[in-house]
Amino acid sequence: DVVLTQTPVSLLISLGGQASISCRSSQSLVHSNGNTYLHWYLQKPGQSPQLLIYQVSNRFSGIPDRFSGSGSGTDFTLKISRVEPEDLGVYYCLQRTHNPPTFGGGTKLELK
Amino acid sequence: EVQLVESGGGLVQPGRSLKLSCAASGFTFSDYNMAWVRQAPKKGLEWVATISYDGSSTYYRDSVKGRFTISRDNAKSTLYLQMDSLRSEDTATYYCARHAADYWGQGVMVTVSS
Repeated sequence: DVVLTQTPVSLLISLGGQASISCRSSQSLVHSNGNTYLHWYLQKPGQSPQLLIYQVSNRFSGIPDRFSGSGSGTDFTLKISRVEPEDLGVYYCLQRTHNPPTFGGGTKLELK
Repeated sequence: EVQLVESGGGLVQPGRSLKLSCAASGFTFSDYNMAWVRQAPKKGLEWVATISYDGSSTYYRDSVKGRFTISRDNAKSTLYLQMDSLRSEDTATYYCARHAADYWGQGVMVTVSS
């Protein structure tokens, strides 16, 4: 199975600050069709995960432009600028390029 | 508005069975591959099973192969997960999701304990 390694495990950020989360894959996430199925989610306490970014860099419907994704191949990054209270929770990356789909271990974003 | 609503969870003894349901609305259910994803208490996310839009193809993670069965009824816009021979390590919140993992249900808790 593809292993996704997320760093850091936890992040202390001040309101209005910027956060950066890394997701590294054990193998390339470029599909044979040329697409890269690497997505980012936020899970707030007591809620199901919500999609933020799909296919590396595309913001899902209703997601503010404070969230941005980048990367290629095996190295991917989620950036959150101007952190707001509703951004707190656990962030996960997910790859759907290879079967089975696998998730990163999660990064907990907390207020400093 | 896309909605996925799970039901059927609860407390069950090891070795027993449970069937989860997921009622879908707000999209053409029969056009989409669907999946179940689980999360053990205080743990990360784990993809459990996938079914194609017409039910002709399924995928299971190794740890549930032969024990869990994913199925669907397109006429009822409902996804199912039949869980047999349950183990304590199956204790988790189970989420129904579209295979693209764009929309998720609110989750249903399954506790396997004597």
